[in-house]
Order: sequence, then C-alpha cells, then structure tokens
Amino acid sequence: KQEVTQIPAALSVPEGENLVLNCSFTDSAIYNLQWFRQDPGKGLTSLLLIQSSQREQTSGRLNASLDKSSGRSTLYIAASQPGDSATYLCAVISDYKLSFGAGTTVTVRA
Amino acid sequence: GAGVSQTPSNKVTEKGKYVELRCDPISGHTALYWYRQSLGQGPEFLIYFQGTGAADDSGLPNDRFFAVRPEGSVSTLKIQRTERGDSAVYLCASSLEGQTEAFFGQGTRLTVV
Repeated sequence: KQEVTQIPAALSVPEGENLVLNCSFTDSAIYNLQWFRQDPGKGLTSLLLIQSSQREQTSGRLNASLDKSSGRSTLYIAASQPGDSATYLCAVISDYKLSFGAGTTVTVRA
Repeated sequence: GAGVSQTPSNKVTEKGKYVELRCDPISGHTALYWYRQSLGQGPEFLIYFQGTGAADDSGLPNDRFFAVRPEGSVSTLKIQRTERGDSAVYLCASSLEGQTEAFFGQGTRLTVV
C-alpha cells in the first residue's frame, strides 16, 4: 500500500521568505504526482501536476520537483505572501487512485 | 459545468438516518471519484467510476456505503444508518478519460449527531 508522508506538518514564516514543503512516498511505481492547496473548509485546488517522466514543473512562484527513485517531491514557493496561507497536500497517482499525505499547514505572517 | 459541483455543502443528520450526497462532475469527464477527509488528515479513496460502472469500490468502509452513477454523469453517494464516525468532508473529483489530473469539488461536510 502506498504511504505518503508530508513534513513538516505545520510551518510559519514571515512574508517574503521562501517556502519548502516536502513529500515522500514509499512505492516509486507511480504515474504522476499532484500538489494541491486547501483553504479552511474548502475543497482542493490543483496547483501542479508532475508527470512521472518529468523532474520538475513550474507555475509562477511555484516549482515542484520529483525524484521517483528516492520517493520524494518538493514544493517550493518563492517570496511567500499572506495569501499563500493554506494547507498544501501532495498526492501520488498510481493507476487512477490518488494517495494523499496529511498535508502541511502554512501560515505566512505579514 | 465550469467545475465539479457538490450538494449540499453542509449536511447535519441524526445517528441512524440515511443521507445522499450529490456530485456533478465537469462536463465531458468520464472518470469520477469519491474521497473522504477526516479532520487533520488527507483525503482517503472511497470509489472510482469509469462511465456508469464502479471500476473500484475497494475504499468503501462497509456495506452501509453505496454509490451510483446511472447515466455516467451525476453521482450520488448514499450512506445508510449513519454513525457519528461517518462525520467527515466527502470530496468528489473528476477527470478526463486517460488523464490522471483530478479536479475536485468543494466537498460536502457531513456531521452526524
């Protein structure tokens, strides 16, 4: 069974600092990996999808890397803003199923 | 539609009652998924539909849970004899056939009292 772990569970940074969120998974036989954002009481918003053949994916201030062999992905958020405060979830995709980590809750202090 | 729509957004029910949660996927998406998210946890897989049929229902916790998608579009998750432990956010997602990127709805927060 795929196990996904996200460290740290919570993170608080001052505005402007870069964020580094880590995700690890136990089974490297994955199709893709997807990063989501979840605001309190809301659903999941897709941020980035990394194909298994890719090493990284970028969108604006967000950059996600994938190292399948070591079972790791990292989400970088540059120049954090208070609006980045949310829970960030990574999900590994095997076949059609997503296996999620518990998330990292980020607070960006103004 | 523009996105995945779930209704109701909130549902409070008494222990032992029956509930139905509805999901309207993005138009043209043949794959539909239900997940359940408990407080402080990531979503957990419940069931996957490809078209009208449930291709994988291995995540349904017991036989009180059932889901249908009779016309290959809207899906209903049905929970019989609800228990307090069923309280969670139920999330629905859809994707295009052959694509793995999933798009999620806002969820239904179910509270069993």
